[in-house]
Amino acid sequence: DAGVIQSPRHEVTEMGQEVTLRCKPISGHDYLFWYRQTMMRGLELLIYFNNNVPIDDSGMPEDRFSAKMPNASFSTLKIQPSEPRDSAVYFCASSLGSLMNTEAFFGQGTRLTVV
Amino acid sequence: AQTVTQSQPEMSVQEAETVTLSCTYDTSESDYYLFWYKQPPSRQMILVIRQEAYKQQNATENRFSVNFQKAAKSFSLKISDSQLGDAAMYFCAYSGGEYSGGGADGLTFGKGTHLIIQP
Repeated sequence: DAGVIQSPRHEVTEMGQEVTLRCKPISGHDYLFWYRQTMMRGLELLIYFNNNVPIDDSGMPEDRFSAKMPNASFSTLKIQPSEPRDSAVYFCASSLGSLMNTEAFFGQGTRLTVV
Repeated sequence: AQTVTQSQPEMSVQEAETVTLSCTYDTSESDYYLFWYKQPPSRQMILVIRQEAYKQQNATENRFSVNFQKAAKSFSLKISDSQLGDAAMYFCAYSGGEYSGGGADGLTFGKGTHLIIQP
């Protein structure tokens, strides 16, 4: 398996624009996580899914952020409208089962810059 | 809410020497899981080692071992025979156990320790 695949690797956008980050989890994994990494706040869990269903979105910072998982092989994180403070590296991770029993595998992240 | 604290923003060690990275956490749960992740300049997050809180024996993975002190809520990582390839950011992380509420399956990370290996 190619691992967790995120696209794009880098995204530069203007303030106010809509941004969509994409993630393809490892085939067969039933958990999918979105994290954000910034210098100030470190790595934060934004939302996670189990079997395509959002389980906990308490980490989503504002209503401008939304995430979907229409099927087991694809998820999106959308920011609309984007703001400069959204600049960060966004990671997607997947796992086969709960972290009680396995590990989460991370994608290489999307570096988002909002100017 | 659980918190994870890494008090060493940066550590430096000579190649082939041993280094210990510190981590403390705060939780009211008795069942949980602790992890150390490595993030090299490539940004890829790589699991180094994991520890189940119910296990008294400290986890080891080759040159990597942990010192898990449950009562003190301490979880340090020891790297023996340091190699140049060990240079990276190291993150300590926590995940709730079976009886945790929502978010149990997500990871709570510390701020990280930047490990420098001196040749």
